[in-house]
Amino acid sequence: DAKTTQPPSMDCAEGRAANLPCNHSTISGNEYVYWYRQIHSQGPQYIIHGLKNNETNEMASLIITEDRKSSTLILPHATLRDTAVYYCIVSTSGTYKYIFGTGTRLKVLA
Amino acid sequence: GAVVSQHPSRVICKSGTSVKIECRSLDFQATTMFWYRQFPKQSLMLMATSNEGSKATYEQGVEKDKFLINHASLTLSTLTVTSAHPEDSSFYICSARERTGEGTRTPYEQYFGPGTRLTVT
Repeated sequence: DAKTTQPPSMDCAEGRAANLPCNHSTISGNEYVYWYRQIHSQGPQYIIHGLKNNETNEMASLIITEDRKSSTLILPHATLRDTAVYYCIVSTSGTYKYIFGTGTRLKVLA
Repeated sequence: GAVVSQHPSRVICKSGTSVKIECRSLDFQATTMFWYRQFPKQSLMLMATSNEGSKATYEQGVEKDKFLINHASLTLSTLTVTSAHPEDSSFYICSARERTGEGTRTPYEQYFGPGTRLTVT
């Protein structure tokens, strides 16, 4: 079973920040949180990852709570091209497997 | 860097035939490759994990005799769907994990291929 839960869908106005939450309450101390997105009929695209600290790159920011039981992916200025399914994944310690949850279908509205 | 390709991108085959899908890491050596299947409007489902030079490990419920996986080199893994039937029609995606310490962001990161759309008629 997936170790993460996400809302099934969200809408966001173009140009506004999109905040996508993820719960991973059973995460272990050495497990990373990864975010990927999948645009229709393509392979998943890496966005960002984190362990304990908040992270930022050219695509997004990742906020991880102090207890590490949840995180939020922030797309600071969403565009129509950000419409996709976003997956939050917790790496499976020791096996390197990803178990995908249902993800959040983000629709950016013009 | 860290590009994974799949071939073919799209294939149509007749029921009862076998089809092979290739997954290649183009600019890195992949210690481990993973195969996923995705049905329309569903999430990715992990089918199997393959390590170079050893037998694949299949997830529960995946028929190993139907989905043959070969990981003969550090840059190539193949998935063969044997005796395909219409219910095997799906989007098949591979990913690769780079050898730890060779430019990877973390040891758990996977690089995904673009996927192969299989249609069995």
